[in-house]
Amino acid sequence: AQSVAQPEDQVNVAEGNPLTVKCTYSVSGNPYLFWYVQYPNRGLQFLLKYITGDNLVKGSYGFEAEFNKSQTSFHLKKPSALVSDSALYFCAAYTGGFKTIFGAGTRLFVKA
Amino acid sequence: GAGVSQTPSNKVTEKGKYVELRCDPISGHTALYWYRQSLGQGPEFLIYFQGTGAADDSGLPNDRFFAVRPEGSVSTLKIQRTERGDSAVYLCASSFEQGYGYTFGSGTRLTVV
Repeated sequence: AQSVAQPEDQVNVAEGNPLTVKCTYSVSGNPYLFWYVQYPNRGLQFLLKYITGDNLVKGSYGFEAEFNKSQTSFHLKKPSALVSDSALYFCAAYTGGFKTIFGAGTRLFVKA
Repeated sequence: GAGVSQTPSNKVTEKGKYVELRCDPISGHTALYWYRQSLGQGPEFLIYFQGTGAADDSGLPNDRFFAVRPEGSVSTLKIQRTERGDSAVYLCASSFEQGYGYTFGSGTRLTVV
């Protein structure tokens, strides 16, 4: 079965430090990969996507993600975390067909 | 509209009752999706519409769940004989076409008591 895994339920980082939120995928073909962020009582917001080309993708709010085909990973990164980055982050994969598969989410907590 | 609108934002219903959840997608977005998000989980696919037709309803959990999009814009998710296990946040998303990033609504939190 196709799946997206986010191995960490929660990531804690101090403000100003770099952050990484991990994602690995197990899907057929060459998937489109996405990161979404969810703030409390809000819908998911699109951050960035990888379709093809450069393995480092830049997105909203200073986030970027690195695609690694050999490791089937798509980790989300930011050089300097802000307290306002604290939220729930979802990795997702679109493999054709009609559905996008989401990971279970990682809660990011940035401490001042 | 500027975003995806879902109503109501919260719905509390008694076990066994019928509920309707509404989604108004971004104008011009032909693809519309319903997802369900349970506490501590990622969104789980329910159904996808391309235009007026349900192109993939494989995620609907059983025949108590049904969705329509009669004019290719607004969609309604209908749940009959609700059960406590149906309690979740129901998310609607739309996109210009498949494979692009979705724009999600804020969701409808359904609580079945």
